Amino acid sequence: AQKVTQAQTEISVVEKEDVTLDCVYETRDTTYYLFWYKQPPSGELVFLIRRNSFDEQNEISGRYSWNFQKSTSSFNFTITASQVVDSAVYFCALGSGTYKYIFGTGTRLKVLA
Amino acid sequence: SQTIHQWPATLVQPVGSPLSLECTVEGTSNPNLYWYRQAAGRGLQLLFYSVGIGQISSEVPQNLSASRPQDRQFILSSKKLLLSDSGFYLCAWSLGPPSYNEQFFGPGTRLTVL
Repeated sequence: AQKVTQAQTEISVVEKEDVTLDCVYETRDTTYYLFWYKQPPSGELVFLIRRNSFDEQNEISGRYSWNFQKSTSSFNFTITASQVVDSAVYFCALGSGTYKYIFGTGTRLKVLA
Repeated sequence: SQTIHQWPATLVQPVGSPLSLECTVEGTSNPNLYWYRQAAGRGLQLLFYSVGIGQISSEVPQNLSASRPQDRQFILSSKKLLLSDSGFYLCAWSLGPPSYNEQFFGPGTRLTVL
């Protein structure tokens, strides 16, 4: 079975703190892709990153970084020096061999000024 | 560049009334198209996807239907709305299998059924 678990329903941090959003996935496929999306209060989902199963290198983009570990089936997302504009719901998703994603239930991040 | 449009942005409908939500994509050809529903405070539920004109796959049996009359047009419909149809409806597109490619989402339609 394929599954994505985002155990953190809601996280609150104070501005400038670092925060990590967890994502654990399950799949039997050897080829798969992992994604992160951001849903700001406006509602539109915004694509952040895609990572394939053969590339375990960590990715950094500005204040955002992603840690992919196949050994623990995790694809965690860290925001460094969080800002109020980072407040949103963040979704992790798994794509593997079918014509759809499996989305996690999302983590609501609140960054307080 | 590609853009995706959805309308209306918000909709309030009585129970038992019909529904038609429209989604159009510009700047690309032969996209895969998707309808998702997000209930308040919940995750995303895939309702329908389409890999071509007239080709619709349903993920969840319910009183909703979808159609794709043109390559870049995707319509979500219902003959009689239920209270449980309330939610935030998102249209998305991708090129190639979604398993391997990012999806691009529209601004969404917030539907309230009273």
